[in-house]
Amino acid sequence: DVKVTQSSRYLVKRTGEKVFLECVQDMDHENMFWYRQDPGLGLRLIYFSYDVKMKEKGDIPEGYSVSREKKERFSLILESASTNQTSMYLCAIQGGLLNNNEQFFGPGTRLTVL
Amino acid sequence: AQSVTQPDIHITVSEGASLELRCNYSYGATPYLFWYVQSPGQGLQLLLKYFSGDTLVQGIKGFEAEFKRSQSSFNLRKPSVHWSDAAEYFCAVGQTMEYGNKLVFGAGTILRVKS
Repeated sequence: DVKVTQSSRYLVKRTGEKVFLECVQDMDHENMFWYRQDPGLGLRLIYFSYDVKMKEKGDIPEGYSVSREKKERFSLILESASTNQTSMYLCAIQGGLLNNNEQFFGPGTRLTVL
Repeated sequence: AQSVTQPDIHITVSEGASLELRCNYSYGATPYLFWYVQSPGQGLQLLLKYFSGDTLVQGIKGFEAEFKRSQSSFNLRKPSVHWSDAAEYFCAVGQTMEYGNKLVFGAGTILRVKS
């Protein structure tokens, strides 16, 4: 079975803190994605990566950065967290054993910034 | 740019009744279309997908969807809803990139099931 793990289910941080959200896959999937989910807005793509050290901006990259040093791990970084980054963050993978178009999602991290 | 519209934010149906969730997309070429479901506190699970061929696709949990090119629609249906179907449902269209495919999601439809 495909497995995507996100480091925390719930996270509370303070404004200005640096925040790391980790996503780990246990299969050899090339593409990894970070989305944020907000009520009434659906899922919006923040960044994606198609290989180690490769990254592309999504639709809402402002205030975020990413890191992919190993194929199985894709990190989302909030350099200085702000209250408008309170949201649900979802990681997804694509490729490898999955159909090239299908994305498989992790359980999500609900981040609250106070 | 690709876009997906789910016109209904909330839908309430009685248990045992039929269900149809609407999805309209905007895409220039033949679309890759998906329906995902998200139960409370969970990630997204793929219900079904359309790439080509038969326009009526079957998915998990008794769901089906019909691709209608002339209407740019991909509506999700279930003949008899169960209380466990209460969740949020997302329609998505795949946008081809150089490496893999990006998904563009609709805003979601929250399904409530009353007994």
